This record gives sequence, C-alpha cells and structure tokens, in this order.
Amino acid sequence: DTAVSQTPKYLVTQMGNDKSIKCEQNLGHDTMYWYKQDSKKFLKIMFSYNNKELIINETVPNRFSPKSPDKAHLNLHINSLELGDSAVYFCASSLTVGANEQFFGPGTRLTVL
Amino acid sequence: DAKTTQPPSMDCAEGRAANLPCNHSTISGNEYVYWYRQIHSQGPQYIIHGLKNNETNEMASLIITEDRKSSTLILPHATLRDTAVYYCIVRVGNTGNQFYFGTGTSLTVIP
Repeated sequence: DTAVSQTPKYLVTQMGNDKSIKCEQNLGHDTMYWYKQDSKKFLKIMFSYNNKELIINETVPNRFSPKSPDKAHLNLHINSLELGDSAVYFCASSLTVGANEQFFGPGTRLTVL
Repeated sequence: DAKTTQPPSMDCAEGRAANLPCNHSTISGNEYVYWYRQIHSQGPQYIIHGLKNNETNEMASLIITEDRKSSTLILPHATLRDTAVYYCIVRVGNTGNQFYFGTGTSLTVIP
C-alpha cells in the first residue's frame, strides 16, 4: 500500500490555466507538506498543514492555494499558471509537527508551456 | 537553522563502505543532524538523525565529531540502489522548524 500518493504523476498545461494536484496519506499522520523542486534540483518547503490548519507558508504567491479537506488529504490548487511554476511538486507527511521523519510522495512533474 | 556544506559528488565501489562527510560548523546545541536521500525521480527518504552520540540503524551509521561541527554518514556496504543525492540537514529537534534541503552530495555507486 502506498503511504503517500499524489495524482497526477505528470501534468502538462498552458500558461494561464488553473490546475490542481491531489495528495493523500494513509499513515494516520497529523501533518502534511508541499515542497517544490525546481530545474536546478533545489527542494524547498512551500506549505505545512497540521490537522487541516495552515502552519507554514513560505512566501509562496497567493496563486497557490492549498486545501486540506481532512487530515489525510492536502491538495494544491494553482491559478494562472506561469512558466516558472514548472517543477516537480512533492507532498509529504509526518506523524506530528516537527517529527524527525517525513514521508514523501512520488512527486508530480508540472510542465507549463 | 545552521547551514551545512557537503561535497557535490562522490563515487564508491559496490560492496565498499560509502563515507559521506558534512560540515556544520555553526551548529547550535539544540540542533540535530539529519540525513535524507533522494533516489532519481523519487521523493526524499529519511535515513537517520542524531544529536551528539553516534547512531546506527538498518540503513546507515551516523558519526558526529565531539565538537559537533561535522559528521559522516556511513553506508557500510554500498549497492547500486544506494546511488542517490544525500542531504545533510541541521534542525532544532521536535519543533515546527522545517527541513531546509541544500544541494546535497550526489553519490554514484560503481559496479
């Protein structure tokens, strides 16, 4: 069973479109995250949610809106996509805020044309 | 959180020990050393962490110098599946502080 899953795995879209990436974890964790890995392979935290509440927003443009309908899900909606949004987006979860081990999903490769 | 310095790349022969160094000279007393790795096209994977004592688990060993300014991750018998980028991160333990991934060390295990 996949611990942290993301859909879709690949997403190709035009500039200006709105798209969503879904994330689900079946580990019973309280905390979930979104990371962005750019073309230079830098991996940066974007958001962190604990029990459906936003706790970290690392100066991400407000075109990015995470939504957590329940503890097991953290979806990422992106409005008005730009070329610079092209990257691999990773979802992760951990047992609690600040837990030592974060479990990462397989990533979603977003390409904006 | 303190910054870390790692060599950009290393090679290791299959079956030999891989020793990955990390400098963290500005580490503070309540910061832990964490190691994650990222195999190509996959999400990062936790390996091990420690504060000041050496640590060992089923994946690796972590050796932290007495002054805590540097550490070494040891993969005792490297296999081809250990080829990955290895990230050394320092962070205050058990807090809301996030993991800040640097550029890591790209380890290539050679047959």
